[in-house]
Amino acid sequence: DTEVTQTPKHLVMGMTNKKSLKCEQHMGHRAMYWYKQKAKKPPELMFVYSYEKLSINESVPSRFSPECPNSSLLNLHLHALQPEDSALYLCASSLRDLSGETQYFGPGTRLLVL
Amino acid sequence: AQRVTQPEKLLSVFKGAPVELKCNYSYSGSPELFWYVQYSRQRLQLLLRHISRESIKGFTADLNKGETSFHLKKPFAQEEDSAMYYCALSGEAAGNKLTFGGGTRVLVKP
Repeated sequence: DTEVTQTPKHLVMGMTNKKSLKCEQHMGHRAMYWYKQKAKKPPELMFVYSYEKLSINESVPSRFSPECPNSSLLNLHLHALQPEDSALYLCASSLRDLSGETQYFGPGTRLLVL
Repeated sequence: AQRVTQPEKLLSVFKGAPVELKCNYSYSGSPELFWYVQYSRQRLQLLLRHISRESIKGFTADLNKGETSFHLKKPFAQEEDSAMYYCALSGEAAGNKLTFGGGTRVLVKP
């Protein structure tokens, strides 16, 4: 398995709902990431997990809560989101080798908050 | 602070013409440079990384440390090259965070 997978592909939720985004990779990558991407803009880093521990939180509002249950899984729990949180949420994973560290991205979850 | 600049938001070229996407960066230390491509409704894909010095889909990019640039080039553009291209930078000095440029949309006309 050489890809990062994400579920669901699409999600519509109300501002009072609680939902979760899931990300999975079986490439043995040590680091996993959540990004937010608005239309026609580059991805913006949200969180980084390294060896299953949260290493970077880019001042993300607490209505976004990441979780890394094991080295292959990464979740993003959503609660009380705002319409401006509507975006494509990307997961990525990376492995450092002799050539450096390269991130590989999942297909994303397209989120619409009503 | 690390920064990546892609000065062109849109590049429109005819099929068979050369295409060059500009990328300039600022970074204190030894950067790792990447080009990612995002085709319509597809995932962000790694196209090139400077450390590999490889050619993918006819694209090449050379790291010029003197000019702090990592421009992407292809001698003969194809219609299937139409996509959004992002230059990105990473490095140990910034905790291996990947910083993206604003992106360049390439449109290859028949």
